[in-house]
Amino acid sequence: DTGVSQDPRHKITKRGQNVTFRCDPISEHNRLYWYRQTLGQGPEFLTYFQNEAQLEKSRLLSDRFSAERPKGSFSTLEIQRTEQGDSAMYLCASSSPVVWGTGANVLTFGAGSRLTVL
Amino acid sequence: AQKVTQAQTEISVVEKEDVTLDCVYETRDTTYYLFWYKQPPSGELVFLIRRNSFDEQNEISGRYSWNFQKSTSSFNFTITASQVVDSAVYFCALSTRSGNTGKLIFGQGTTLQVKP
Repeated sequence: DTGVSQDPRHKITKRGQNVTFRCDPISEHNRLYWYRQTLGQGPEFLTYFQNEAQLEKSRLLSDRFSAERPKGSFSTLEIQRTEQGDSAMYLCASSSPVVWGTGANVLTFGAGSRLTVL
Repeated sequence: AQKVTQAQTEISVVEKEDVTLDCVYETRDTTYYLFWYKQPPSGELVFLIRRNSFDEQNEISGRYSWNFQKSTSSFNFTITASQVVDSAVYFCALSTRSGNTGKLIFGQGTTLQVKP
């Protein structure tokens, strides 16, 4: 297994354009998470999926953001009408099902997709 | 509220020095996990350790050691005999049982620079 893959690694766009990021998780992981990381800060939770179901969305995820995981495998994160404040690193992570007591929820992260909005 | 605080923004040491990275957490849950991740310049977060709230035993792995103290809500990370390759941003994170989401709440990170 090659780990969590994210594409593209870098995206430069003009304000107002739409962008889409893709994440391919580890194949046997049914949970997938999106995080956003701005310069000098820790990653902030955006949303997560269990299989194809989106189970939680942060209030950071405005109406311009949408995430999908149509077949419970790869996921996409789309940002519509980008703003300069959207410039950040978008991180994807995946994990096995959470089993409290065994701690089977170590998140494996991808290398991220860096977005720059001009 | 759940929160992780890493008060040290940047630490600079000379190679072979020992260094401790501090982490303080807040949660009302009695069942939770604490994590440390390393983020090298390449950007990918690398898992280092996970501890559950019921196990306060300290752990050592090579040059790395972790001190978990529930009484002070701290989970500190010590690197012994630091090396240049240890230069990275280190994040402490918390995962609680509430909602069974498995999501991590990260601290702000500590940038460690190890000079030769």
